[in-house]
Amino acid sequence: EVVLLESGGGSVQPGGSLRISCAASGFIFSSHAMSWVRQAPGKGLEWVSSLSGNGGSTFYADSVKGRFTISRDNSKNTLFLEMSSLKAEDAAVYYCAKGGLLRFLGPWGQGTLVTVSS
Amino acid sequence: DIQMTQSPSSLSASVGDRVTITCRASQSISNYLNWYQQKPGKAPKLLIFGASSLQSGVPSRFSGSGFGTDFTLTISSLQPEDFATYYCQQSFFTPLTFGGGTKVEIK
Repeated sequence: EVVLLESGGGSVQPGGSLRISCAASGFIFSSHAMSWVRQAPGKGLEWVSSLSGNGGSTFYADSVKGRFTISRDNSKNTLFLEMSSLKAEDAAVYYCAKGGLLRFLGPWGQGTLVTVSS
Repeated sequence: DIQMTQSPSSLSASVGDRVTITCRASQSISNYLNWYQQKPGKAPKLLIFGASSLQSGVPSRFSGSGFGTDFTLTISSLQPEDFATYYCQQSFFTPLTFGGGTKVEIK
């Protein structure tokens, strides 16, 4: 069974940084693209970033380009999202999901909440 | 960027009703269209991929159709557990984009 477990969310001040993680199990992690999708409170789904299986290709939404960095450690089956220069509008539940590049997103993790507030 | 327009944004229906949700892409995305169901406080769940392929474990009352720019999600007989928000999403181009969602409520 595929399981994705996010961690690292929390409260950060505007302009601050945070790294969130997604531990994966139940599939050959290095063979699959992975993605981050976020959902602000009461809002819809917004794609944030995707990364190829070998980590060689990365893609970002314009809203986070230059501030967020997606990466992966295939030896530890873990996906990361390094977030810096955080803004109030980055506050959301962040989900990791298997797939995304010319492929559906799924399954999804349970999400980790990031709050940006002074 | 490809815009995904879902309609309606909400609907009220009764158990047993046939429900149809539409999704339109601002340019052709072939069949790279996926549908998700999300219940409050939960992560989205994949229902349909490739416009019409049913994800394993999803009840057969869910079906999808369409190609190019116009797509449809149909629930043939609405069940109590189907009251949720549904999203379409294109996976043909980055940025990946979602529709605004359709909230299906109990009439």
